[in-house]
Amino acid sequence: AQKITQTQPGMFVQEKEAVTLDCTYDTSDPSYGLFWYKQPSSGEMIFLIYQGSYDQQNATEGRYSLNFQKARKSANLVISASQLGDSAMYFCAMRDGNAGNMLTFGGGTRLMVKP
Amino acid sequence: ETGVTQTPRHLVMGMTNKKSLKCEQHLGHNAMYWYKQSAKKPLELMFVYSLEERVENNSVPSRFSPECPNSSHLFLHLHTLQPEDSALYLCASSQQGQGSTEAFFGQGTRLTVV
Repeated sequence: AQKITQTQPGMFVQEKEAVTLDCTYDTSDPSYGLFWYKQPSSGEMIFLIYQGSYDQQNATEGRYSLNFQKARKSANLVISASQLGDSAMYFCAMRDGNAGNMLTFGGGTRLMVKP
Repeated sequence: ETGVTQTPRHLVMGMTNKKSLKCEQHLGHNAMYWYKQSAKKPLELMFVYSLEERVENNSVPSRFSPECPNSSHLFLHLHTLQPEDSALYLCASSQQGQGSTEAFFGQGTRLTVV
């Protein structure tokens, strides 16, 4: 069964606008971590932001913030003030004890920023 | 510049060839991983090495053979591959256990099997 679900295969956003990329997850482990990675066309996976299951506040890193709704099992990525360089694939991932602390990835969302 | 380096960046090989992918991490991590990224499929974890011992092998065909000679280097030996093995192969490292970190990825090797 899919543990990480990203329902948006592709999204457009106007430059300087904010955009939300959806991610839902499924785990029975009370201790888990959620990650977002960016993959530009060069192929490298770039770590963006991390949210721990016990963290009380939503994680933020510069223009990236994570809208963590534990009861809904969602961990949406919000990118504020989009830039052309934000065009890339974005992957949500989870690490939990059920998977031996290995990262499980969602299918990704391709974000395209329009000038 | 990333702390995880993969070579080569691109590889084209015939089905009867033998080749190896190399990964090196300069981050002092104790775990290294191979992932396969095919078109329109989620990243698939292939192998995990923790403290130089293989701890995960997700039913990967034997034509893929990993090797971890030390905590900084990881290889993926390839032989008699199939065209469906064409994909982006990503190496990653992380610190497991106390003080665990996120995974850091290399830029990948884009493999084409002809």
